[in-house]
Amino acid sequence: SQQGEEDPQALSIQEGENATMNCSYKTSINNLQWYRQNSGRGLVHLILIRSNEREKHSGRLRVTLDTSKKSSSLLITASRAADTASYFCATAALKLVFGKGTKLTVNP
Amino acid sequence: GAVVSQHPSWVICKSGTSVKIECRSLDFQATTMFWYRQFPKQSLMLMATSNEGSKATYEQGVEKDKFLINHASLTLSTLTVTSAHPEDSSFYICSAGQGLGSYNEQFFGPGTRLTVL
Repeated sequence: SQQGEEDPQALSIQEGENATMNCSYKTSINNLQWYRQNSGRGLVHLILIRSNEREKHSGRLRVTLDTSKKSSSLLITASRAADTASYFCATAALKLVFGKGTKLTVNP
Repeated sequence: GAVVSQHPSWVICKSGTSVKIECRSLDFQATTMFWYRQFPKQSLMLMATSNEGSKATYEQGVEKDKFLINHASLTLSTLTVTSAHPEDSSFYICSAGQGLGSYNEQFFGPGTRLTVL
């Protein structure tokens, strides 16, 4: 069964606002990864957070991981129109399992 | 970051024909390569995992005789969709990792859109 489930399925915000996407999963993981996909394109790796880490930053991205709640969040600060894309979380255990994604639209 | 290419980027074929998709890691040696398929507005589903020089491991429900995977070198894996049918139309994406298994970051190709008429 699907591991990662993102919430919300779609998010529309104005440029400059922050965007928060959540991911929940069901079983133990080695790490959790966030990817971005522009429409009809391949995936771009954004950030990997290991199961023993609680928070990680990369530029305007902030990822948290709560293994007790089996959840993770991706925060994009000061969003830009170019951030418009679908964002997927993927849990890594025996294999990488992707959630259904959050479609983010950043309006100029 | 590491670069993975796929060829072709799109292909249209007639029902019953076979289509080969290539996945190459351009600037690193990929011990493991993965093949995914993605239906419109849906997530990626892992089809198979291949390690260089050994047989691919297919996910449950994926027909290994229909989706032939060859990982002949550390920089090239191919997926052949044999006797393609319209229901095989999908977006196929490969990824490559530098270690065994899926724990590490995977580098994704740009995808191949297959349309079977």
